[in-house]
Amino acid sequence: DVQLLQSGTELKKPGESLRISCQTSGYSFTTYWINWVRQMPGKGLEWVGRIYPDDSGTDYNPAFQGQASMSTDNSINTAFLQWNSLKASDTGIYYCARNGNLGLDSWGQGTLVAVSS
Amino acid sequence: DVQMTQSPSSLSASVGDRVTISCRASQNIANYLNWYLQKPGKVPKLLVYASSILQSGVPLRFSGSASGTNFTLTITSLQPEDIGTFYCHQTFDYPQTFGPGTRVDL
Repeated sequence: DVQLLQSGTELKKPGESLRISCQTSGYSFTTYWINWVRQMPGKGLEWVGRIYPDDSGTDYNPAFQGQASMSTDNSINTAFLQWNSLKASDTGIYYCARNGNLGLDSWGQGTLVAVSS
Repeated sequence: DVQMTQSPSSLSASVGDRVTISCRASQNIANYLNWYLQKPGKVPKLLVYASSILQSGVPLRFSGSASGTNFTLTITSLQPEDIGTFYCHQTFDYPQTFGPGTRVDL
């Protein structure tokens, strides 16, 4: 059974750094793209980017490039999304999602990131 | 970026109704179009991929179709568990983009 388990809620201040995680199980981690999707409070879905664990290849949404970075630790089947300096506008729920055939077929439960002074 | 628009933005329907949701891409995306349902407070769930292929386990009352840059999700008989926001999502070009959503309630 494919499962993506994300780390818990984060309450941070502007300028702080953060890394959230997405631990996967039930499939071959290195052979599926992992996507990150943001949902700001009360809003729709925005694609942040995706990473291919086998070779660490990445595709970023230009709107997020330079703001957040993706990585993986293949030894523990886990993907990460990281910020070096958070902004209030980074607030939202971040989902990791596996690329199936052509769609995002399995999703994590979401990590709420709240950035406020 | 490929702009995705959806119509209507919201609708109210009754159990058993036939419901049609439209999604239009600003340019050719071939059939690289997916549909998701996000129930209130829940995680999005893939319903249809490649514009018309039903994801495993999704009820047969859901179907997807395409005509050029216009895509349609149809629910033949709306059920109470179908309430939520439906999103289309293109993966033909980067960045991938989602439609703004169509909220369906009873």
